Amino acid sequence: AQSVTQLDSQVPVFEEAPVELRCNYSSSVSVYLFWYVQYPNQGLQLLLKYLSGSTLVKGINGFEAEFNKSQTSFHLRKPSVHISDTAEYFCAVQVSGGYNKLIFGAGTRLAVHP
Amino acid sequence: EAGVTQFPSHSVIEKGQTVTLRCDPISGHDNLYWYRRVMGKEIKFLLHFVKESKQDESGMPNNRFLAERTGGTYSTLKVQPAELEDSGVYFCASSQDTSGREYFGPGTRLTVT
Repeated sequence: AQSVTQLDSQVPVFEEAPVELRCNYSSSVSVYLFWYVQYPNQGLQLLLKYLSGSTLVKGINGFEAEFNKSQTSFHLRKPSVHISDTAEYFCAVQVSGGYNKLIFGAGTRLAVHP
Repeated sequence: EAGVTQFPSHSVIEKGQTVTLRCDPISGHDNLYWYRRVMGKEIKFLLHFVKESKQDESGMPNNRFLAERTGGTYSTLKVQPAELEDSGVYFCASSQDTSGREYFGPGTRLTVT
């Protein structure tokens, strides 16, 4: 079975500061890794995904994540956040190959303050 | 291209009543998924359709939940009778290929009182 742990339920940060949202996963088989974002009153939007290849993945809105197989982590980073980045962020895994369900972490609420 | 749409956006019902949620996937997407997020916890998988067939329904909590996808287009998720613990946000997603990318709808917020 697979599981995802998002280590911080809430992360407050000031505008233009860097941020890292942490995600660890557990799986005995190969997985794909995702970060989704949910802005207030909207659906989930894909930020970035890791399927294979380069372990540093760049996504939309200046976010990036690094896949670390030895530490089973997929932390999300942004060097300088904006007020508009205030949202809830979800890390998810999916068993690779075929059409498999997503397994989500509990989410991290990022609050960017002026 | 229209995204995944869900109806209604909000529903408030009393315990014991019936509610039907609808999801319209992106046109041409054979794969349709239902997920649920209860009380700020993690988003959990409910079931997966490939066209009109149920590929995986391992996440359905009990037999009060019935999902259908007639004709392989839109899907409905019926809860009958609703219980307090069914409150949460129900998300629908669709996908077309094996890259893992799922497109999510805005969700239906269900409140059972």
